[in-house]
This record gives sequence, structure tokens and C-alpha cells, in this order.
Amino acid sequence: GEDVEQSLFLSVREGDSSVINCTYTDSSSTYLYWYKQEPGAGLQLLTYIFSNMDMKQDQRLTVLLNKKDKHLSLRIADTQTGDSAIYFCAETDSGNTPLVFGKGTRLSVIA
Amino acid sequence: EAGVTQSPTHLIKTRGQQATLRCSPISGHTSVYWYQQALGLGLQFLLWYDEGEERNRGNFPPRFSGRQFPNYSSELNVNALELEDSALYLCASRPQGFYEQYFGPGTRLTVT
Repeated sequence: GEDVEQSLFLSVREGDSSVINCTYTDSSSTYLYWYKQEPGAGLQLLTYIFSNMDMKQDQRLTVLLNKKDKHLSLRIADTQTGDSAIYFCAETDSGNTPLVFGKGTRLSVIA
Repeated sequence: EAGVTQSPTHLIKTRGQQATLRCSPISGHTSVYWYQQALGLGLQFLLWYDEGEERNRGNFPPRFSGRQFPNYSSELNVNALELEDSALYLCASRPQGFYEQYFGPGTRLTVT
């Protein structure tokens, strides 16, 4: 079945860039998403990318997609303490089917 | 525009009881998804409703069920509660023709 892998922890200094990585196994993945979860809260959709794109930028967020290696990354520029959260990578093959999530990367931002 | 809402925020039940969780999607969204986020297990898909019909279900026993109402709100029912059903239950909605799922704040279910 489909699998999405992420590293569990990342620690960065305030003001630095953060890069969160994700790999997936389903070659038919068409839509890839990044969600943010703060303690005790639901998931906030940060951004998404279609498989026919290789990059998407939205303010401080840059998503890079390498379809050949099935690798997705989220770069957060000028990381702030408010960015401390768990970040989930998710994928789906048709956009309206259920999402398959990675286990999440806990980002800690050190002031 | 109001986001996805879920009620109750917290629910405490005893093993063997039944739990009912509710979700109201964003206005205009016709699809509702339910996910379970249990400690150590990550986010797992439970159920998907669209236009009042169950479209897909995840690898969960039949005691997990639900429905979608004509106004597109949805209910998740968990019968014969077990201790391992303790989790955060998240609801997400999606507008027809689009591919983003928007999540509610979740219901924290604790089974004692």
C-alpha cells in the first residue's frame, strides 16, 4: 500500500531556514499537501502541489517536488517561534480520495 | 467564512459505551472525511461521505459508522468503545471539484 515517510524531529534557530523532507511510495500520487498542527489543534492546510509541478512558492513557504525520487520538501524561510509545530506531508492519487499522511515532523524553533 | 466545526471538543466515555461525534463542513463543501489520530499511530482515514453517501471506509471495524445529512453535516458513531479508541477524531471537508481538504479542530475522545 501507499506509504509516506518523514523524519520525526527538526530543530532550527530563529531566523534560519527550515527544510522538512518527505518521501512517498505511490507512483500515482497526484496531489501532495503540507499541513501544520499546533498543540491541541486540528490540521491547518499550508500549501499543496500537483504532480505536474516541480516547485511552488507562497510567501515564506517553498515546496519542491522531485517526482523521479518521489521526494517532497517544504522550506520555511526566516523561521519564527510561531512556526514551532508538527508538519504533516500527505498525498492522494485523485484529489478526492482520502489522504495518506506521514507521521509528522516536529519542528522546534530555538530563540 | 466559518471553518469546519466539530462537537463536542472533549468526550469521556466508559468502555462498552457508544460515542457520537459531530461535524459541520465549510459552507458549500459537499464531501466530509473522518480521520483518527491516535498516539503512536499517526493519522488514519476512517470514513468518507459525499452527497449523503458513504464513498469509502478505512481499515476499521464495523462498530465505526456514520452518516451525512442533507445539509452535508456528518456524524461519526463508535459503538462498543474500547480503550484503544481513545484518540483525536478529525473531520475534514472538501468542496466539489477541488482537491484541498480543510480540517476542523477535532474531538478528543477518552475511553476509560
